[in-house]
Amino acid sequence: GENVEQHPSTLSVQEGDSAVIKCTYSDSASNYFPWYKQELGKRPQLIIDIRSNVGEKKDQRIAVTLNKTAKHFSLHITETQPEDSAVYFCAAITSYGKLTFGQGTILTVHP
Amino acid sequence: KAGVTQTPRYLIKTRGQQVTLSCSPISGHRSVSWYQQTPGQGLQFLFEYFSETQRNKGNFPGRFSGRQFSNSRSEMNVSTLELGDSALYLCASSLTSRGAPGELFFGEGSRLTVL
Repeated sequence: GENVEQHPSTLSVQEGDSAVIKCTYSDSASNYFPWYKQELGKRPQLIIDIRSNVGEKKDQRIAVTLNKTAKHFSLHITETQPEDSAVYFCAAITSYGKLTFGQGTILTVHP
Repeated sequence: KAGVTQTPRYLIKTRGQQVTLSCSPISGHRSVSWYQQTPGQGLQFLFEYFSETQRNKGNFPGRFSGRQFSNSRSEMNVSTLELGDSALYLCASSLTSRGAPGELFFGEGSRLTVL
């Protein structure tokens, strides 16, 4: 079955710095890669996603890159702000719909 | 449009008991999936239902089961509860169809404590 590895498990940055979270997946049939943000005590919410026919997608300060050959994808947050502090989960979904999440990254942005 | 609603929000059970959790998806969403969230294990996929049929299943023992009704509402059941079943159980609904996955909309979860 699919295995998604996410690194690092914790990430601490200063406000204004960039943050990068990386994920690798094992199932080459995976074709959809969402990223979810979960603030403390709240539900996970989608922040950005990318499909396998695209190499990069950007939405304001957030970008995701996908390398299908190497089976890895990354989340990039620029100009981090304290409100970016949360747990971030990557995920991979196969064409038959089975979703696997990474273990999560606790991002802390220090003012 | 109302979001995903899960009930109950909190519950306490003892070992050996069983529990049923309920999830009402966003109107029009036919896919409902369930996840177990624990501090050490992240988000673990339990199962997904689409149009009353279980479409995918995670690696959980048979004590975990679920179903979906014709109105897309879903329930999950855990029998013979163990201490390790203590977790936040999240339900998510989606407009996804096979081959075209989409955004998951999560409920606030049901926090189960097993004593």
